[in-house]
Amino acid sequence: DQQVKQNSPSLSVQEGRISILNCDYTNSMFDYFLWYKKYPAEGPTFLISISSIKDKNEDGRFTVFLNKSAKHLSLHIVPSQPGDSAVYFCAASPNSGGSNYKLTFGKGTLLTVNP
Amino acid sequence: DAGITQSPRYKITETGRQVTLMCHQTWSHSYMFWYRQDLGHGLRLIYYSAAADITDKGEVPDGYVVSRSKTENFPLTLESATRSQTSVYFCASTPTGGSYEQYFGPGTRLTVT
Repeated sequence: DQQVKQNSPSLSVQEGRISILNCDYTNSMFDYFLWYKKYPAEGPTFLISISSIKDKNEDGRFTVFLNKSAKHLSLHIVPSQPGDSAVYFCAASPNSGGSNYKLTFGKGTLLTVNP
Repeated sequence: DAGITQSPRYKITETGRQVTLMCHQTWSHSYMFWYRQDLGHGLRLIYYSAAADITDKGEVPDGYVVSRSKTENFPLTLESATRSQTSVYFCASTPTGGSYEQYFGPGTRLTVT
């Protein structure tokens, strides 16, 4: 059973527009969420995170929104740039003791930003 | 250089052979992880380690063996490689007491023929 779902395998947007990547989760024990970006032939790199005590976290062009009641989070990129073209992974962890710092990842969404 | 490194970056092996993928980190992070990335599956956890000599299974451990005699090294061994183990393998690490951010290595692309 997939606990973290990214239902859109791919997304294409125009440069300068907003990119919205979505992620749903089923495990109500998850209370810390992260987004990673991955370029081809490289390892994933951390982008932004959010704790369940917040509903929004912003870092430059990147904002993550968390809707706990809907078990849904989204990553907004504004404005989108061609260099943002990559696979984006959503990840989640139970932030309480005993989690062993493990993350559960979604399958990823390939974002293509067209010039 | 500081960071997390993996070797080899590319490996081709035959079915039935034993192969070991190496992972080395210079941060002295307590936790280390091995993932595999496959099309349609995202990143799946194979094994993880909380400290030297402490390891545990992840989501897809069958066919793999790990050890961690030193904090900085976390090798992954395929005892008898199968074609289904053709994948890209990523090692990651994270310190305790901080955020849950994991730092990933560059990956090893393994092909089993």
